Amino acid sequence: NAGVTQTPKFQVLKTGQSMTLQCAQDMNHNSMYWYRQDPGMGLRLIYYSASEGTTDKGEVPNGYNVSRLNKREFSLRLESAAPSQTSVYFCASIQAGGVYEQYFGPGTRLTVT
Amino acid sequence: SQQGEEDPQALSIQEGENATMNCSYKTSINNLQWYRQNSGRGLVHLILIRSNEREKHSGRLRVTLDTSKKSSSLLITASRAADTASYFCVYNTNAGKSTFGDGTTLTVKP
Repeated sequence: NAGVTQTPKFQVLKTGQSMTLQCAQDMNHNSMYWYRQDPGMGLRLIYYSASEGTTDKGEVPNGYNVSRLNKREFSLRLESAAPSQTSVYFCASIQAGGVYEQYFGPGTRLTVT
Repeated sequence: SQQGEEDPQALSIQEGENATMNCSYKTSINNLQWYRQNSGRGLVHLILIRSNEREKHSGRLRVTLDTSKKSSSLLITASRAADTASYFCVYNTNAGKSTFGDGTTLTVKP
């Protein structure tokens, strides 16, 4: 099992550009999450998908959109990147059904200039 | 902020001492978990405690949960230099929403 994979690992964007961060898990997990982590801070939930076909806003959803493409994949889109979105982005998944350990991807380091 | 609060923000101890970190949250939860992160890398799951549990052990880790006070604590006994990292609590609601605490940065001096 590859676990949770994220692409790309690094990305530099100019203000106003758009991009999509990809996340996939091969553990047949039901729930998936997108977080951002700013320097010296904890992770903040952007969006989550409790199950295939559903998505909900987290704590900091503004400026982002998500798509739960299928059970395996959950993408995060920045339509018009801003310097305030410079951060490390983590994707995670949970099996649910009474098992709640989150499995995290390695992160995407995004810089917006 | 909806985030959980952790204290202390930073903790520095000598090898062999115990380290205690606390986490408070604001809503009803299904479970609370503790994670460790080394230098901005990925997170590693340490321990999970369910809302109907009061205490749990895993190796040198002991977690307590007080749902009436909406708080949890993580105790690391006999700390080692390799325990140096940031530690985060994460609480999960029945709806599947996860919220991270702000984290405690632990430094264990050899």
